[in-house]
Amino acid sequence: DTAVSQTPKYLVTQMGNDKSIKCEQNLGHDTMYWYKQDSKKFLKIMFSYNNKELIINETVPNRFSPKSPDKAHLNLHINSLELGDSAVYFCASSPGQGKNIQYFGAGTRLSVL
Amino acid sequence: GESVGLHLPTLSVQEGDNSIINCAYSNSASDYFIWYKQESGKGPQFIIDIRSNMDKRQGQRVTVLLNKTVKHLSLQIAATQPGDSAVYFCAENGGGSNYKLTFGKGTLLTVNP
Repeated sequence: DTAVSQTPKYLVTQMGNDKSIKCEQNLGHDTMYWYKQDSKKFLKIMFSYNNKELIINETVPNRFSPKSPDKAHLNLHINSLELGDSAVYFCASSPGQGKNIQYFGAGTRLSVL
Repeated sequence: GESVGLHLPTLSVQEGDNSIINCAYSNSASDYFIWYKQESGKGPQFIIDIRSNMDKRQGQRVTVLLNKTVKHLSLQIAATQPGDSAVYFCAENGGGSNYKLTFGKGTLLTVNP
């Protein structure tokens, strides 16, 4: 069974549209994350939730809104998509607060045309 | 600030050789480090971690060395195999939030049969 699963794997959309990416983890972890990986493979944290509470919010445009309905799910909604949003988005989870291994999903490749 | 080169640092080795991938980190307060492997089209996969109270840790075919004096981390892979071909990232966790991992630029390892 996949531990951290994201859907969809690929997302192609037009500029200006609104889209969502879903993430679920079945590891029983308390903390979940969203990362963005650009075309140069640079990986940067966007958000983190611990037990449904937002604990990290990097300098991300407010067009990006994470939502955690429960601690096993962290979804990412993006409004008014722009060309620069094209990237691979990774969800991750870790057992909890503190210095722990983060386990990553397979990624969602977003292409904005 | 971070420097992002046009290309990933690359390392090309022959199958069976040992590989050493290096990483410099900038935050002297960092006290936990992780190495990840990312194969094409997949998410980062945990390899090995080390805390700052250690200077060496060994896993299966991998060794991580930490030199806090010069803020340097290395990953050694013994008897490199074609399946080791991937991008390798070091990540540091330190200062501020306990949950935030800062990733390095990544190194592309290519193993020639």
